[in-house]
Amino acid sequence: GEDVEQSLFLSVREGDSSVINCTYTDSSSTYLYWYKQEPGAGLQLLTYIFSNMDMKQDQRLTVLLNKKDKHLSLRIADTQTGDSAIYFCAESKAAGNKLTFGGGTRVLVKP
Amino acid sequence: GAVVSQHPSRVICKSGTSVKIECRSLDFQATTMFWYRQFPKQSLMLMATSNEGSKATYEQGVEKDKFLINHASLTLSTLTVTSAHPEDSSFYICSARESGGGANVLTFGAGSRLTVL
Repeated sequence: GEDVEQSLFLSVREGDSSVINCTYTDSSSTYLYWYKQEPGAGLQLLTYIFSNMDMKQDQRLTVLLNKKDKHLSLRIADTQTGDSAIYFCAESKAAGNKLTFGGGTRVLVKP
Repeated sequence: GAVVSQHPSRVICKSGTSVKIECRSLDFQATTMFWYRQFPKQSLMLMATSNEGSKATYEQGVEKDKFLINHASLTLSTLTVTSAHPEDSSFYICSARESGGGANVLTFGAGSRLTVL
């Protein structure tokens, strides 16, 4: 079956880089996503990567994918207090298909 | 960009009543919508896949008679929690896939928080 796992919590100082890690078990995962959820709100798509890519960078966000180890990471450069939120990784087998989510990593940015 | 609207954003009801939550795609047509449920401090769990013009596909363990899904048009799916009980209190989030193919991502609504007293 599908399983997506993340660490529960990350604390980082403002201005430092944050790295959030995610592992998945299903080798047929085609798309891997990172979503951000602020308290009481829905999900905001941050970025996604296709399984034949190793890296994707978008402004302060860098996604690294190690398909062999089934490991996905999200690096946030120059972390700001507004980055405090829960970050979910998710996978799907096809574009626009149903998602399987990890448990979420709560990121706390300290001034 | 694509926008998905959920209504109501918050609802409080008495035990035994039914509650309807709407999920609308505002600027695109969605053949398929997904309903997720999120308990406090937990992840999102897929409840069902809503297909326009046909029956919804429910995930294992989700009671289809309790969580009624109707996808009557290409822009609207509704989730009705029937005979709600306190254990149904949760955050319900829908997502929609734009019809026509080529869409790599789903668009999520802002969620609906249900509290059953």
